[in-house]
Amino acid sequence: DQQVKQNSPSLSVQEGRISILNCDYTNSMFDYFLWYKKYPAEGPTFLISISSIKDKNEDGRFTVFLNKSAKHLSLHIVPSQPGDSAVYFCAANEMNDYKLSFGAGTTVTVRA
Amino acid sequence: EAEVAQSPRYKITEKSQAVAFWCDPISGHATLYWYRQILGQGPELLVQFQDESVVDDSQLPKDRFSAERLKGVDSTLKIQPAELGDSAMYLCASSFSRGETQYFGPGTRLLVL
Repeated sequence: DQQVKQNSPSLSVQEGRISILNCDYTNSMFDYFLWYKKYPAEGPTFLISISSIKDKNEDGRFTVFLNKSAKHLSLHIVPSQPGDSAVYFCAANEMNDYKLSFGAGTTVTVRA
Repeated sequence: EAEVAQSPRYKITEKSQAVAFWCDPISGHATLYWYRQILGQGPELLVQFQDESVVDDSQLPKDRFSAERLKGVDSTLKIQPAELGDSAMYLCASSFSRGETQYFGPGTRLLVL
């Protein structure tokens, strides 16, 4: 049962433009959400997170938005750079249950 | 910068053979996780340790998989016997404590022939 869904397997964006990655979840008990970035032949790297008490968290070029009523979150990358080309995983967990549930990932390709 | 170490990076084995993967977490991290990632899917937790104790192994196929963290530091994940469906990336992660950010190692890519 996939509790975290990333319905877009791939995204292609031009360098300098905005990348928007979407993630939906079904478990209303999730209260902490994370984005990980993964390059080929490497493990996932933590990128940014957001608690359910917030609706936005920003870190440099990366901003995560959370819409609890819609059970939806998104990651915005502005401006997109060639080094951003990677697979991005959305993940979530419940308070006091620290098991992360991951989405299937979205492959981002930034075109020069 | 401290990193999670894993070995081997790649392993090819024949079905019915035994394989073992090793993980050394970031120094001082009490919580250690083993994940399996099948191509095209996100990582799935197999087992979670808090120090040397297993706190969650509900998704670990215990008939063939075993994991240990005897001294609460490094950890070994074993598969015996390996099956074709075990072909995947096996990722180890660690965190300072439960609920803290998890940091992943580079993974071991397993191919079972």
